[in-house]
Amino acid sequence: RKEVEQDPGPFNVPEGATVAFNCTYSNSASQSFFWYRQDCRKEPKLLMSVYSSGNEDGRFTAQLNRASQYISLLIRDSKLSDSATYLCVVNRWYGGSQGNLIFGKGTKLSVKP
Amino acid sequence: IAGITQAPTSQILAAGRRMTLRCTQDMRHNAMYWYRQDLGLGLRLIHYSNTAGTTGKGEVPDGYSVSRANTDDFPLTLASAVPSQTSVYFCASSAGIGYGYTFGSGTRLTVV
Repeated sequence: RKEVEQDPGPFNVPEGATVAFNCTYSNSASQSFFWYRQDCRKEPKLLMSVYSSGNEDGRFTAQLNRASQYISLLIRDSKLSDSATYLCVVNRWYGGSQGNLIFGKGTKLSVKP
Repeated sequence: IAGITQAPTSQILAAGRRMTLRCTQDMRHNAMYWYRQDLGLGLRLIHYSNTAGTTGKGEVPDGYSVSRANTDDFPLTLASAVPSQTSVYFCASSAGIGYGYTFGSGTRLTVV
């Protein structure tokens, strides 16, 4: 099993649609989880952290299922400006302590008028 | 403006030449990282530094070296560039374990 696995997409959706991205991770000891957004030819930028209880930031909702080692990102009322690649990020865990972050390869979203 | 500055923005380099990619942050973050991003392969960690004076190898360290003489600077050196090192290089920093990373705007390197 890959350390962090995402559906590469692309997801092509109309404006106003709701879209969900999923991600699985292999190390059950991982403690930190994030979603990043990367626009074409730009650097990745932190979208939101993911907490055990789930969290929401405007139109974005992130959820974590530790038992299934599964993270999700829900985008409601999609905007053209949401078009980007979304990276699932999990921390590495080894030697009994947290390590650096591992980035998934990303899911590409294209929102059409 | 606080953040990470990378230089150069882009570079075309002859194979066999030595090159140093520069990275400077002004957030006083302890941890810094160098990644390369290639189509279909995602972000891969080259080297990292958890604090000034220490460095470590990531997933793809061969052909690259780093140093961390102080908190702010984390240069990446290609001793003798090869075409397979053509990539986009991102420097990142973090306040510590459990925190997200802040990335620089990247260096597009083409080795010919």
